[in-house]
Amino acid sequence: DQQVKQNSPSLSVQEGRISILNCDYTNSMFDYFLWYKKYPAEGPTFLISISSIKDKNEDGRFTVFLNKSAKHLSLHIVPSQPGDSAVYFCAARGSNDYKLSFGAGTTVTVRA
Amino acid sequence: GAGVSQSPSNKVTEKGKDVELRCDPISGHTALYWYRQSLGQGLEFLIYFQGNSAPDKSGLPSDRFSAERTGGSVSTLTIQRTQQEDSAVYLCASSSQISGGTQYFGPGTRLLVL
Repeated sequence: DQQVKQNSPSLSVQEGRISILNCDYTNSMFDYFLWYKKYPAEGPTFLISISSIKDKNEDGRFTVFLNKSAKHLSLHIVPSQPGDSAVYFCAARGSNDYKLSFGAGTTVTVRA
Repeated sequence: GAGVSQSPSNKVTEKGKDVELRCDPISGHTALYWYRQSLGQGLEFLIYFQGNSAPDKSGLPSDRFSAERTGGSVSTLTIQRTQQEDSAVYLCASSSQISGGTQYFGPGTRLLVL
């Protein structure tokens, strides 16, 4: 069963605008969430994470928001740049777990 | 510094043949993970090694799949009697903490079973 869902397979955004990627989860035991970025022919690279004790974490142009009651998180990229074009995976795990559950990914295309 | 490396980068094999995929984790990382990504899917957990503890094999899809980790470093994932549904990208990751360390991924091995 898919415990982490990214319902938008793709997103196209103009350079300089905001990219918003969404992720929903079903397992209430998840309390640590991560976003990974993946370029073609490369492995996923860690981007940003958030613990359930927070509702927001910011790192430069990237901000992750967590809504525990809705079991929803989002990644905001502002401003979007052409180098941000990649596949973004949402992942989650429990506090004492090591296995990550991944969503299917969202392909972001930033248009010049 | 050196990241996680995997070999081969691509593997084409015939149905029924055995394949071995190799992973070299980041030096000093005690935890090692194998995932696979089928077309259009997210990453699926396969197996986890932590130090000298017994591995967590709960994600292996069948008994045709096995993995070992020698000397706490290099790992080999073996698929026996490959089937077409085994075609996927097999990703290895390592981390430096038991449960909390960020997982760093290798570039993956693209396996195609004809």
